[in-house]
Amino acid sequence: SQELEQSPQSLIVQEGKNLTINCTSSKTLYGLYWYKQKYGEGLIFLMMLQKGGEEKSHEKITAKLDEKKQQSSLHITASQPSHAGIYLCGADLYAGGTSYGKLTFGQGTILTVHP
Amino acid sequence: EAQVTQNPRYLITVTGKKLTVTCSQNMNHEYMSWYRQDPGLGLRQIYYSMNVEVTDKGDVPEGYKVSRKEKRNFPLILESPSPNQTSLYFCASRKTWVSKNIQYFGAGTRLSVL
Repeated sequence: SQELEQSPQSLIVQEGKNLTINCTSSKTLYGLYWYKQKYGEGLIFLMMLQKGGEEKSHEKITAKLDEKKQQSSLHITASQPSHAGIYLCGADLYAGGTSYGKLTFGQGTILTVHP
Repeated sequence: EAQVTQNPRYLITVTGKKLTVTCSQNMNHEYMSWYRQDPGLGLRQIYYSMNVEVTDKGDVPEGYKVSRKEKRNFPLILESPSPNQTSLYFCASRKTWVSKNIQYFGAGTRLSVL
């Protein structure tokens, strides 16, 4: 099974609707990162969450970290076509050992926003 | 502007023909790594480097080599490419290997091995 599970795998919404993407870890989270990717292109950093209960916002996107539940959510308010793309959560799941610095990623959520 | 630059962006080659994908960062980051992204498998780490002359295998290192002779550069070498190495490759860098610092990604290199 995946160490980092994202849900849903895909999401189709009408412009103006709110939506939430979830990211759940099977291991302790040492850092949680949200990225956005246009198909076939690079990953654009959105937000980093470090502590349980932390919440960050940028424009209409809000991310929260529930460390006890080992879970993060990304919420988009009043979605726009420009929000369309693939959203990926990445996490530091290891304090060290043989996986120094590696980010483990979820499978991604494909977001489509219809005008 | 802080960035990770990969070249080329697109590459089509034939089985067995050695190739190098270059990666350079201008943020003076110690840590650099290579990932490949495949449908259904997500992003997987190939190799990483914690600093100059310090490299180690990630999750899927077979068929790849890397070197880190300078802090800014971390090339990915495919000595004898095979079709199963057809993929989208990303170079990434972060300040150090320690958690809770942002990892920045290049724009990607789409490789097709025929």
